[in-house]
Amino acid sequence: SYELTQPPSVSVSPGQTARITCSGDALPKKYAYWYQQKSGQAPVLVIFEDNRRPSGIPERFSGSSSGTMATLTISGAQVEDEADYYCYSTDSSGNHRVFGGGTKLTVL
Amino acid sequence: QVQLQESGPRLVKPSETLSLTCAVSGYSISTGDYWGWIRQPPGKGLEWIANIHHDGSTFSNPSLKSRVTISVAPSKNQFSLKLTSVTAAETAIYYCARALFNGDHYFDSWGRGTLVTVSS
Repeated sequence: SYELTQPPSVSVSPGQTARITCSGDALPKKYAYWYQQKSGQAPVLVIFEDNRRPSGIPERFSGSSSGTMATLTISGAQVEDEADYYCYSTDSSGNHRVFGGGTKLTVL
Repeated sequence: QVQLQESGPRLVKPSETLSLTCAVSGYSISTGDYWGWIRQPPGKGLEWIANIHHDGSTFSNPSLKSRVTISVAPSKNQFSLKLTSVTAAETAIYYCARALFNGDHYFDSWGRGTLVTVSS
C-alpha cells in the first residue's frame, strides 16, 4: 500500500520558519495537500495542489513540491500555529488516497 | 457556506455494523462534488475510508473495501457509511467531508466528527 512519510515532530521558536516535509513515491505526478488539526478540532485545509492557499489562510503558510518530497513552510510561525499537520495525496493509480502520519508542530 | 454534521450510534458491538449519516446544509449535494468519510483513532492519524459522487459512483480504501458501503440520498441532502464486522481497533472519530474534484479528490470542508466506540 502507498505511504506518505512525515517527521513526527518539528519545533521552532515564535517568529522562526517552520518546515514540514512529506515524502512519497507518487508526488512527482500527484498533488500534495496539507491539513492543520488543532487539539480537539476537525482538520482544516491550509494548502491545496502543492502550493495554493485557500481563502482565509494566512500568507505565512506556503507549500512547495519537488521530486518525491512536498514541503509545508510556515514563515514567522506563531504560537497559534501549534497543531498537528497532515499531508495528503494519492498513489500513482489514483485509487488509494492516503494521509501522512502527521507532524506535531511546537512553537515555543 | 457548506456545513456537515455526522450522526449515528456512538457505541457499536464488536463484529456488528457501524452506521453513520452525514447531513449537508448550505450546499446541494447534487452540485457535482464528491463526499467522503475519514476516521481518526484516538491519539492517532487520519485514514481515508471512502468517497461517493451524487451519481452514486464510489471510491473506497482498498484495505476496507470489502466491508464498506457508502451511499448518497440527494433528496435528503445526505450521505451515509456502513462498515461491517467492526473491531475494537476501529474505535475512532469519524468525519464526513466534501471532496472537491480536480482530477483527484481532496477534502475542503469537514464535519466536526463523531466518536464511535466499538466495545461489548
